[in-house]
Amino acid sequence: DSGVTQTPKHLITATGQRVTLRCSPRSGDLSVYWYQQSLDQGLQFLIQYYNGEERAKGNILERFSAQQFPDLHSELNLSSLELGDSALYFCASSRTGGTGNEQFFGPGTRLTVL
Amino acid sequence: EDQVTQSPEALRLQEGESSSLNCSYTVSGLRGLFWYRQDPGKGPEFLFTLYSAGEEKEKERLKATLTKKESFLHITAPKPEDSATYLCAVRVEDQKVTFGTGTKLQVIP
Repeated sequence: DSGVTQTPKHLITATGQRVTLRCSPRSGDLSVYWYQQSLDQGLQFLIQYYNGEERAKGNILERFSAQQFPDLHSELNLSSLELGDSALYFCASSRTGGTGNEQFFGPGTRLTVL
Repeated sequence: EDQVTQSPEALRLQEGESSSLNCSYTVSGLRGLFWYRQDPGKGPEFLFTLYSAGEEKEKERLKATLTKKESFLHITAPKPEDSATYLCAVRVEDQKVTFGTGTKLQVIP
């Protein structure tokens, strides 16, 4: 158990819908990262937040957005969902926002878009 | 564009048969190279961070090394519980992280 929690564990929805994934980092960790893992593209970095502020942006679509709240939990919002958005979404956290920080991954949210 | 390539895609070893996994990278401004282990349906588990060429780190049967163009994960006398997908990732100056597609390791008793 990494100490990172993600909810929900599974999510099934329809194309065009909007969903919110939630992540609580390990106690004391200030940085949160979001990743998408699909069978054909591997693990893709989406975005990083550090202490409430956006720190780095990866291949995140404009239909997706994220935020980190004052209590440090984070939410990833996915809108206008398409079939291709079906994937495992992982959240990770680290102590600080530095480049070498070890990241602890949560168990993931499996999103299925029908 | 930053690229990370892992080889082989899959590796099948007999228990006790040592081998190496490769991670080659083409990036500008490397700020860290990471190795993770991922079991099916679970999140990646951190193994090592390497920062500069020549650096080595060890943990039980695993040893990671880094050169200017690639990293190796050496597995000595593997056991069935070492079966997993091993992922390599790099972090660059703008903080972005790029993962390789992984090597799926199967260790047979």
